[in-house]
Amino acid sequence: QVQLQESGPGLVKPSQTLSLTCTVSGGPISSGNYYWSWVRQPAGKGLEWIGRMSNSGSTQYNPSLKSRATVSVDTSKNQFSLKLTSVTAADTAVYYCARPREGTDWCFDLWGRGTLVTVSS
Amino acid sequence: DIVLTQSPDSLAVSLGERATINCKSSQSVFYSSNNKNSLAWYQQKPGQPPKLLIYWASTRESGVPDRFSGSGSGTDFTLTINSLQAEDVAIYFCQQHYGALTFGGGTKVEIK
Repeated sequence: QVQLQESGPGLVKPSQTLSLTCTVSGGPISSGNYYWSWVRQPAGKGLEWIGRMSNSGSTQYNPSLKSRATVSVDTSKNQFSLKLTSVTAADTAVYYCARPREGTDWCFDLWGRGTLVTVSS
Repeated sequence: DIVLTQSPDSLAVSLGERATINCKSSQSVFYSSNNKNSLAWYQQKPGQPPKLLIYWASTRESGVPDRFSGSGSGTDFTLTINSLQAEDVAIYFCQQHYGALTFGGGTKVEIK
């Protein structure tokens, strides 16, 4: 059974780069043609899709993040990652990694438990 | 980007009664290529990630109780919870994929 687990610093200073990793366990990340995604949720608020990368290297991002986000996949480590540059307090949120349901590339049936990232000096 | 507007923001329903949540899209999410609407519904409980309930607007995910149903097409969609149970207390989100993925603002369901 495939599982996802986010990891990374819980505290990032303003203007710095937020870096998170999602470790995929229970199966190879290269199996299937999935788009590996990141979604975030500020406390008490809604969900915001950040971006995704496919096993073939295709990427898509939320235009609202204005090119600050980069998603990458490391098949040798069975991980995928998120980098978000020039962070501000508005980037404080729980960050989830997610995989879409087989047969779709857009709705998520597999999620990590989420990791809280606070942007503060 | 497509904006999804959910209504109401919250609702309180008696146990065993029906809950109805609406999701309106700023433009159609219907794909003529496969004759399907790219609209999904999720349930989120405190401290947990979202759980997929419905996709393609009306297809129930495996293991989801049949009291949950989705309907609608184009720009207007509905999630219905028949015979509300205590474990259905949660926030429900709609999500679309027609271009960039976006989510609705959420609807909180409570017991009256």
